[in-house]
Amino acid sequence: DADVTQTPRNRITKTGKRIMLECSQTKGHDRMYWYRQDPGLGLQLIYYSFDVKDINKGEISDGYSVSRQAQAKFSLSLESAIPNQTALYFCATSQGRNYGYTFGSGTRLTVV
Amino acid sequence: DQQVKQNSPSLSVQEGRISILNCDYTNSMFDYFLWYKKYPAEGPTFLISISSIKDKNEDGRFTVFLNKSAKHLSLHIVPSQPGDSAVYFCAASGTDSWGKLQFGAGTQVVVTP
Repeated sequence: DADVTQTPRNRITKTGKRIMLECSQTKGHDRMYWYRQDPGLGLQLIYYSFDVKDINKGEISDGYSVSRQAQAKFSLSLESAIPNQTALYFCATSQGRNYGYTFGSGTRLTVV
Repeated sequence: DQQVKQNSPSLSVQEGRISILNCDYTNSMFDYFLWYKKYPAEGPTFLISISSIKDKNEDGRFTVFLNKSAKHLSLHIVPSQPGDSAVYFCAASGTDSWGKLQFGAGTQVVVTP
């Protein structure tokens, strides 16, 4: 099994729908992150969490919300999806500062 | 405003030759730098890192060089192999970012036979 698992891998949804992307990890890391990748922009931070009771906004949090259900689970929600949220979404974990991230395989989301 | 910049969106190199990828940053608080490699339909994977107390770090065919005065780092791949064809992301974190990584836009490397 992968260290960081994202579901679903691909999703097409309609404008205005609520959608949840899920992430679970077996690394035992406290820190978890949600990023989105757009062509030419690299990876932009949406939300991050340093432990179960800690949730923080990233650079592009508008239109998104998160839930840290447990140390191993961190979900990203789009309350009312819009087409410019079409992107590749990555969940990542780390064990602390000056440690790299372990990424999931990504969720390709298309909003039509 | 992007604090980490990779100005070359693509690089084509012949198999066996050196690939040089460049990355510039603007935040003087950055003190830890990483390179990630990404294949299609997969998440980025860690490749190599360097702390600001060093100016060079090697791992097999991969070497990262850091020039703090120029706020510039580079990744050298020698020799380049077909399996190196991927997107490479430069990333940085600093004392003001609590371990959050800032990523560049990525460079697509294509290694040709």
